Amino acid sequence: EPEVTQTPSHQVTQMGQEVILRCVPISNHLYFYWYRQILGQKVEFLVSFYNNEISEKSEIFDDQFSVERPDGSNFTLKIRSTKLEDSAMYFCASTDGPDSPLHFGNGTRLTVT
Amino acid sequence: AQKVTQAQTEISVVEKEDVTLDCVYETRDTTYYLFWYKQPPSGELVFLIRRNSFDEQNEISGRYSWNFQKSTSSFNFTITASQVVDSAVYFCAHSMNRDDKIIFGKGTRLHILP
Repeated sequence: EPEVTQTPSHQVTQMGQEVILRCVPISNHLYFYWYRQILGQKVEFLVSFYNNEISEKSEIFDDQFSVERPDGSNFTLKIRSTKLEDSAMYFCASTDGPDSPLHFGNGTRLTVT
Repeated sequence: AQKVTQAQTEISVVEKEDVTLDCVYETRDTTYYLFWYKQPPSGELVFLIRRNSFDEQNEISGRYSWNFQKSTSSFNFTITASQVVDSAVYFCAHSMNRDDKIIFGKGTRLHILP
């Protein structure tokens, strides 16, 4: 069964550094998402992306965050200058339409030191 | 505004017992979707079920069953004859019609004791 793939599984970075989290959505999917889960807390919506542009973003998704689909397969989340509070599990998800369930990747655990 | 409430923060039951996880949602929409996801200790999010607001039929999948009651805005999840492998955090979630952003509840951590 096709799946959403995220790399790396764990990334450690120093505060103030830029980090890029990578995702390969399921190949025929058109809608892409990033979610965040701070340790022990609920999963929070960050941003949705469709037709090469952001469809919606949450309050968490400030100017430090950006998303990109640089080619036909990858979907990336960039955090320009990481803060300690950015430490979390970041989940990528995709779907082939709003009427279909989201498929989540296994997540990237980001640790900012 | 969308909101999902999972009042049970943590539940512990002995293996083979049945357990029900509660979920109450708030929405002003007439068309919406409800979900349950499982997050085992390994951390991934595993899709369990999606239900749209027009389908109030209860669903059973093996030891799992879901009870959707629009009258009480609830979408409860029951595990029958629980097993240790069912230990996980379970998230109830909601999305509005044609707005595919999913809003998650805070989750219920389920411990199945051997």
